[in-house]
Amino acid sequence: RKEVEQDPGPFNVPEGATVAFNCTYSNSASQSFFWYRQDCRKEPKLLMSVYSSGNEDGRFTAQLNRASQYISLLIRDSKLSDSATYLCVVQAGTALIFGKGTTLSVSS
Amino acid sequence: GAGVSQSPSNKVTEKGKDVELRCDPISGHTALYWYRQRLGQGLEFLIYFQGNSAPDKSGLPSDRFSAERTGESVSTLTIQRTQQEDSAVYLCASSLVLGEAFFGQGTRLTVV
Repeated sequence: RKEVEQDPGPFNVPEGATVAFNCTYSNSASQSFFWYRQDCRKEPKLLMSVYSSGNEDGRFTAQLNRASQYISLLIRDSKLSDSATYLCVVQAGTALIFGKGTTLSVSS
Repeated sequence: GAGVSQSPSNKVTEKGKDVELRCDPISGHTALYWYRQRLGQGLEFLIYFQGNSAPDKSGLPSDRFSAERTGESVSTLTIQRTQQEDSAVYLCASSLVLGEAFFGQGTRLTVV
């Protein structure tokens, strides 16, 4: 079983749509959780941390369910500039373990 | 510098040669990570340094791979006797706050 699993997509949505990505992780001892964004042929960049109580940053909302070992990212009012690959990241011990990412394409 | 700097940005090498990749982390960042990303694939953890602690080498795929870091400064990743399957982008990241990693632009390694 892969440590961090994501639906690879692609998710193709129109501008203004709401889209949700899911991620599951296998290590129940995982301590911290993050969403990163990676644009085509660029390096990954931190989008937001994920807290147990859920957290929001503008149009982005992240949720964590430790019991189900499940993380989600919701993007509201999608913009063209949101087109990218979204990486679910889990910290287990010292390593940051990255999922393979979910690709989002927002069209006008 | 302002961000993580990696060099070279591109490297083409012949199968069997050794290569050395360099990473300059953000000043003051105590943690440093190396990852490998093959074309169309996710990031594969290689090694983690934290200050002067023993590194976590659990992700290194074979004994041809090694990495060094002196204190909280520059790190080098060395691949000996390169193979075609080593072709990938090698990404370095540094971090001060756990999980908030800042990546360099990577070294694209092509083994021919």
